[in-house]
Amino acid sequence: GENVEQHPSTLSVQEGDSAVIKCTYSDSASNYFPWYKQELGKGPQLIIDIRSNVGEKKDQRIAVTLNKTAKHFSLHITETQPEDSAVYFCAASTPTGRRALTFGSGTRLQVQP
Amino acid sequence: DTEVTQTPKHLVMGMTNKKSLKCEQHMGHRAMYWYKQKAKKPPELMFVYSYEKLSINESVPSRFSPECPNSSLLNLHLHALQPEDSALYLCASSPPSGRGETEAFFGQGTRLTVV
Repeated sequence: GENVEQHPSTLSVQEGDSAVIKCTYSDSASNYFPWYKQELGKGPQLIIDIRSNVGEKKDQRIAVTLNKTAKHFSLHITETQPEDSAVYFCAASTPTGRRALTFGSGTRLQVQP
Repeated sequence: DTEVTQTPKHLVMGMTNKKSLKCEQHMGHRAMYWYKQKAKKPPELMFVYSYEKLSINESVPSRFSPECPNSSLLNLHLHALQPEDSALYLCASSPPSGRGETEAFFGQGTRLTVV
């Protein structure tokens, strides 16, 4: 089955700096890659996603890139703000078989004011 | 309505109790999921319902029993749980898709403590 690895496990940045979180996946058939933000005591919130026919997608300060050849995808947050502090999860899913999300292990992002 | 609503938000139960977790969505989604999340870990898939039929059971112990009464509701019945079952239980739903991707929207979860 699919295996998703995520790095780093923790990331501390100064307010205004950029943050990058990276994930790799194992199943070349995976075609959907969402990113979730989870604040303390809350459920995961979908913040951006990318499909395998697209290399990059941007939504204001957040962008995701996908390299299908290398089987990795990344989340980029620019101009970080204290409210960006949370745990971020990447995930992947395949169009056949299990058809459910496989999550990475998570990255705790702390933005220092 | 773009929400997945879970009740209760918190639940404390004894090991001999029977309780149920409830999940509701009115987005027309036809796939619904139960996930279990332990502290500092990613969500772990338990069950998937597709068009009200159980399609995936990730080898979950029988003390957890899912039910999907209709396309908007998902229940998780709990019986004879163990303290190690204490966790955040998350419900999610996904819209119908012929392309295979599973864009999942999560509820806020039920924080379960087994004593």
